[in-house]
Amino acid sequence: EADIYQTPRYLVIGTGKKITLECSQTMGHDKMYWYQQDPGMELHLIHYSYGVNSTEKGDLSSESTVSRIRTEHFPLTLESARPSHTSQYLCASSVGATTEAFFGQGTRLTVV
Amino acid sequence: GENVEQHPSTLSVQEGDSAVIKCTYSDSASNYFPWYKQELGKRPQLIIDIRSNVGEKKDQRIAVTLNKTAKHFSLHITETQPEDSAVYFCAALRVSGGYNKLIFGAGTRLAVHP
Repeated sequence: EADIYQTPRYLVIGTGKKITLECSQTMGHDKMYWYQQDPGMELHLIHYSYGVNSTEKGDLSSESTVSRIRTEHFPLTLESARPSHTSQYLCASSVGATTEAFFGQGTRLTVV
Repeated sequence: GENVEQHPSTLSVQEGDSAVIKCTYSDSASNYFPWYKQELGKRPQLIIDIRSNVGEKKDQRIAVTLNKTAKHFSLHITETQPEDSAVYFCAALRVSGGYNKLIFGAGTRLAVHP
């Protein structure tokens, strides 16, 4: 089934660990995004990509990095996790700019 | 850059009443305005969107209006039902240096009481 998948759904990890949040979509979308969602509600754009080998930083400064080696895959990496990175991370994709963005189920990250 | 302001942050209505959520944007070049609904523990999902060449769009109990001159757009839900309870996000597509970014408002938590 065409969808956008995120793994893991939940992750509890110790300070200083390196982690990678996976995001894959089977819809053939060229544009992909990472949003950080506060415990309150707000969705902050932290990374986006317009296609293979294209990555840009979003509006919210983030210590994470991303890569886009394949169209369907847009992983996010934290080299050294800190408690301030505790949040929910939502991946999204769209086929164009003015079309619906589809969201993944999210990864809820807790750094202890 | 684009800022999207959303009000109110919380909204409580009785079942059957109408609910209105308002958003303003700063970039006059923005041309696409979607609304997303996020139920508790679930992913945001598109409920309606509007492009800048249209002033109003309606889909059953949901309508969106756009005032390009004033740079604001609103979501209207009529005959609210308990299942409408969720967090609603407006968004605006910001055009910047050839790149388009979808910027979200802070969200409105809607509670519909039976």
